[in-house]
Amino acid sequence: IQLTQSPSFLSASVGDRVTITCRASQGINTYLAWYHQKPGKAPSLLIYAASSLHNGVSSRFSASGSATEFTLKISNLQPEDSGTYYCQQTKSFPLTFGGGTKVEIK
Amino acid sequence: QITLKESGPALVKPTQTLTLTCTFSGFSVTTTGAAVAWLRQPPGESLEWLAIIYWNDDKRYTPSLRSRLTITKDTSRDQVVLTMTNVDPVDTGTYFCAHSGVSSHDYWGPGILVTVSS
Repeated sequence: IQLTQSPSFLSASVGDRVTITCRASQGINTYLAWYHQKPGKAPSLLIYAASSLHNGVSSRFSASGSATEFTLKISNLQPEDSGTYYCQQTKSFPLTFGGGTKVEIK
Repeated sequence: QITLKESGPALVKPTQTLTLTCTFSGFSVTTTGAAVAWLRQPPGESLEWLAIIYWNDDKRYTPSLRSRLTITKDTSRDQVVLTMTNVDPVDTGTYFCAHSGVSSHDYWGPGILVTVSS
């Protein structure tokens, strides 16, 4: 199952609201997770099951979607939100990731 | 709390076998539902899922590397081991192990950078 993220790069200001999209090549129900990765660090889980917030993740993050179209929204963008965001499908093996969206804070 | 850490060689030569160990704490891999996965990330690229082992010793591998990968667990040491045979420079990257739930990898190790070069 292929995942296509868009955009691949975005630049936004502190306080902005940004949206990242992930499209699956076939239906995956809600078997989708979102991760955030800072340079030189391991990814950290943000969202699982398409819309459930992982423990300790800021409520500024929200996500929705099902089947083939998914979105991750970050409200009130903060400097610590910079980095790369990845979606991952967990519907079927092999588990696959999107190409990533790099978020830059202006 | 759940922690994981990867260990192994930083440099391996082409055609050699790479052995990586994930040592974890805060959970038991024998608990129903528990699983540990291995993933990797070539420099500047996206993530690639490699393999997973479950509490019941069920295993899954990415098809493109299936013939070269073996994942095992040592419950007495709280470790999961990944071996990759016949490595190539394209296998260079950071390798991660992660505690895995039903729908995500919720806790990750810091990763280990492995370079394949002669």
